[in-house]
Amino acid sequence: GAVVSQHPSRVICKSGTSVKIECRSLDFQATTMFWYRQFPKQSLMLMATSNEGSKATYEQGVEKDKFLINHASLTLSTLTVTSAHPEDSSFYICSAGRQGRNTFGSGTRLTVV
Amino acid sequence: DAKTTQPPSMDCAEGRAANLPCNHSTISGNEYVYWYRQIHSQGPQYIIHGLKNNETNEMASLIITEDRKSSTLILPHATLRDTAVYYCIVRVAGTASKLTFGTGTRLQVTL
Repeated sequence: GAVVSQHPSRVICKSGTSVKIECRSLDFQATTMFWYRQFPKQSLMLMATSNEGSKATYEQGVEKDKFLINHASLTLSTLTVTSAHPEDSSFYICSAGRQGRNTFGSGTRLTVV
Repeated sequence: DAKTTQPPSMDCAEGRAANLPCNHSTISGNEYVYWYRQIHSQGPQYIIHGLKNNETNEMASLIITEDRKSSTLILPHATLRDTAVYYCIVRVAGTASKLTFGTGTRLQVTL
């Protein structure tokens, strides 16, 4: 139980375009999901908390207009990287909590060329 | 959430026990100790958590000192597939609670 599915696993996009990443809780409902970003050889950094039916809460320094989060249902949260640039290339990971523990998606490796 | 301190790296021979320490001297009474690991290019995986009693599951054992200021994650028989970065995280339990990751310990299991 407690499976979180994330798609796509890998995406390459051109600079200036937008990319959408989906995070689904497959066997449970998640009113809250979390989005992380991880650069090579670094730890995970929390970007934002996604709340079902309301606005996301962004961590300090994360541009909310660049990283659009939508959590329209209890099983789906999406992260859209708008006007992507090479410096946005990173490993993006989502997470949802259930029964006192957090389950993570398999991550999305974004490369902006 | 309380801050944790872990050694940056450790080595362990395959088949031997891997003991990963974590210091959390500022832990509060209602904070749990969680352990996650991240295998290269994958999302983190939950291992175990505890409040004050020692815990064991199919993956590992968690030993928490009586004063709760430190803990040790034990992988009883490490395999090559246990090579990963292990994160010790302290936080109040709750499904809506975010996790703040430190730098973790990179465990290398060797033949």
